[in-house]
Amino acid sequence: KQEVTQIPAALSVPEGENLVLNCSFTDSAIYNLQWFRQDPGKGLTSLLLIQSSQREQTSGRLNASLDKSSGRSTLYIAASQPGDSATYLCAVGGYSTLTFGKGTMLLVSP
Amino acid sequence: DTGVSQDPRHKITKRGQNVTFRCDPISEHNRLYWYRQTLGQGPEFLTYFQNEAQLEKSRLLSDRFSAERPKGSFSTLEIQRTEQGDSAMYLCASSPGTDSFGNTIYFGEGSWLTVV
Repeated sequence: KQEVTQIPAALSVPEGENLVLNCSFTDSAIYNLQWFRQDPGKGLTSLLLIQSSQREQTSGRLNASLDKSSGRSTLYIAASQPGDSATYLCAVGGYSTLTFGKGTMLLVSP
Repeated sequence: DTGVSQDPRHKITKRGQNVTFRCDPISEHNRLYWYRQTLGQGPEFLTYFQNEAQLEKSRLLSDRFSAERPKGSFSTLEIQRTEQGDSAMYLCASSPGTDSFGNTIYFGEGSWLTVV
């Protein structure tokens, strides 16, 4: 059974800092990996999708990497802003389902 | 493209009552998913449809739960004889295509259920 762990569970940084969120998974037989953002009481917004054959994806200030062999992914956020405050969820894709971690709650203070 | 739409957004019901949630996926998306999320946890998979066919169900989906997707368009998730443990946010999602390799999954805003 796939298990996904996200570290840290919570993170508080001042505006402007670069930061890294970590995700690890136990079964390397994955189809893809997605990073999502969730604001309090809201649904999930897809940030980046990395296919199993890819090593990284970039979108604006976000960069996600994938190392299937070690079962790890990182989400790098450059020059953080207060608007980045949210919970970030890592999800590992099987053929039909996503297995989620519990998320990292990020607070960026002005 | 209006995104994935869910209704109602919030539902408070008494224990033992039945509730039904509706999901309208992004048009022409073949796959439709239901997930459940409780406070402080990541979403957990419940079931998914490929067009109108329900292809997989989680063990979380007890016999009190039933999902349908008539004609491969909108979907409904019904919970019968609700219990307090059913209190959660029910998330619907959709994706294009018939495989998972490169298809982003798009989530709705969720339907909050509180069973009192």
